[in-house]
Amino acid sequence: QLQVQESGPELVKPSESLSLTCTVSGGSINSVGYYWGWIRQPPGKGLEWIASIFYSGDTYYNSSLKSRVTISIDRSKNQFSLKLKSVTAADTAVYFCATYGGSSEFFHHWGQGTLVTVSS
Amino acid sequence: NFMLTQPHSVSESPGKTVTISCTRTSGSIATNYVQWYQQRPGSSPTAVIYEDDQRPSGVPDRFSGSIDTSSNSASLKISGLKTEDEADYYCQSYDSSIWVFGGGTKLTVL
Repeated sequence: QLQVQESGPELVKPSESLSLTCTVSGGSINSVGYYWGWIRQPPGKGLEWIASIFYSGDTYYNSSLKSRVTISIDRSKNQFSLKLKSVTAADTAVYFCATYGGSSEFFHHWGQGTLVTVSS
Repeated sequence: NFMLTQPHSVSESPGKTVTISCTRTSGSIATNYVQWYQQRPGSSPTAVIYEDDQRPSGVPDRFSGSIDTSSNSASLKISGLKTEDEADYYCQSYDSSIWVFGGGTKLTVL
C-alpha cells in the first residue's frame, strides 16, 4: 500500500527558507504517470496547491508562489522535496504531500500533514 | 487561470439529501475532470468523487458527482445524510499544468 509522509522543521524564521521532504513507501517514485505534489492549508482556511513534479521530473508551480518555490525528486531515497524561500507569517500552514495520477486523476494518497509555523 | 467557487457552508438534517456546487469561473467545466475531497477536522483530505462522477473504493454510493455545462459547475450530492458526513468538502480540477482547489464548503449535519 502506497504511503507518503512529510518531514521537516516545524518552526522557520521570517525571511528564511522552508524545506520539507516527503518519503514514499510501498511504491516507487518512478511509477509511470504519477505526479508528486505539495498542498498547504493555513490554519482555519482552505487547501492551496503549491507544486507538483511528474515522475519524469517535469515540474509545475502555482503561479502565485512560483518565484519562491522549488520542487525536486531524489530517486535514490524515494523522496521528493519542497523548498519555499523568503517565508513570511502568511506561509504558516499545514503542508501536505500527496500523489496524483497513475490510473486515476485525483490526489489519492495524502500524508498526515505537518504544521510549519513562521515566527521569530 | 481559473477559479472554483463553492458556497461557504451548507446544512441539512440526518437522512436528507444535500448538494454542494462548484462553479468554474473561466473555461469549460467539461474540459478537465472535477474531484471532490472530504476533510474532517484534524485529518488529511480524502477523495469521495474523482473524474466527475467516479467513487473511490470504499466510498458509499450515497455520494455522487455530476457536472452541468449550462451552469459551468460541478455538484456533489450526498443522500441519506449521516452525522459522520459532517466535514469540509473541496472540489478540485486541473488545467494547463495547474491544479486548483475550490475554497471549501462546510457541511453541517444537524
